[in-house]
Amino acid sequence: FTLTQPHSVSESPGKTVTISCTRSSGSIAINYVQWYQQRPGSSPTTVIFEHNQRPSGVPDRFSGSIDSSSNSASLTISGLKTEDEADYYCQSYDSADHIFGTGTKVTVL
Amino acid sequence: EVQLVQSGAEVKKPGESLKISCKGSGYSFGNFWIGWVRQMPGKGLEWMGIIYPGDSDTTYSPSFQGQVSISADKSISTVYLQWTSLKASDTAMYYCARAGGIVAEFDYWGQGTLVTVSS
Repeated sequence: FTLTQPHSVSESPGKTVTISCTRSSGSIAINYVQWYQQRPGSSPTTVIFEHNQRPSGVPDRFSGSIDSSSNSASLTISGLKTEDEADYYCQSYDSADHIFGTGTKVTVL
Repeated sequence: EVQLVQSGAEVKKPGESLKISCKGSGYSFGNFWIGWVRQMPGKGLEWMGIIYPGDSDTTYSPSFQGQVSISADKSISTVYLQWTSLKASDTAMYYCARAGGIVAEFDYWGQGTLVTVSS
């Protein structure tokens, strides 16, 4: 299966962005989706795990959800800050493989 | 403090072998999975495989099966990623990362090891 994300999204500080992650086959709801943030020149970090759980230290401006009707997951960042400018990747799995999404570059204008 | 410290950057020629490492500290090393993730220049993340150092149980992504080997030495809290014959297309940043289970999220990441393969 594949996980498809928009290539890029842009928004102004203080606004809200939502990044989608569409699964090509298999149910998005059955296998957990995680979201990783990767700032330029840095290792990735987890911002959401198990569909909608936030690790300690991740602000509640970050939230995750799934939509079975579109077989997709979403990462929403509210109150956008310049420090949120980064690449974001969804990730999930099935019995055969673990897959990262195609990645989305978030630009804070 | 949980830390994953990876070995330094490597420059190799096509056909050469290579083994890079990832040393864990600050937690019970044998009780957590360690995975490897590739990031080719300017590209996205790719899940390569994962190992449980407690018993060396290993799973590879079909895309990387047979291309690399993952191993562990629990006695020195270190996991390895190995190639027997490098190709130019292996040029990438390689990250190790810790997971609580084989399908769990990666909660701690190493700093990355840049591998450059060029003649």
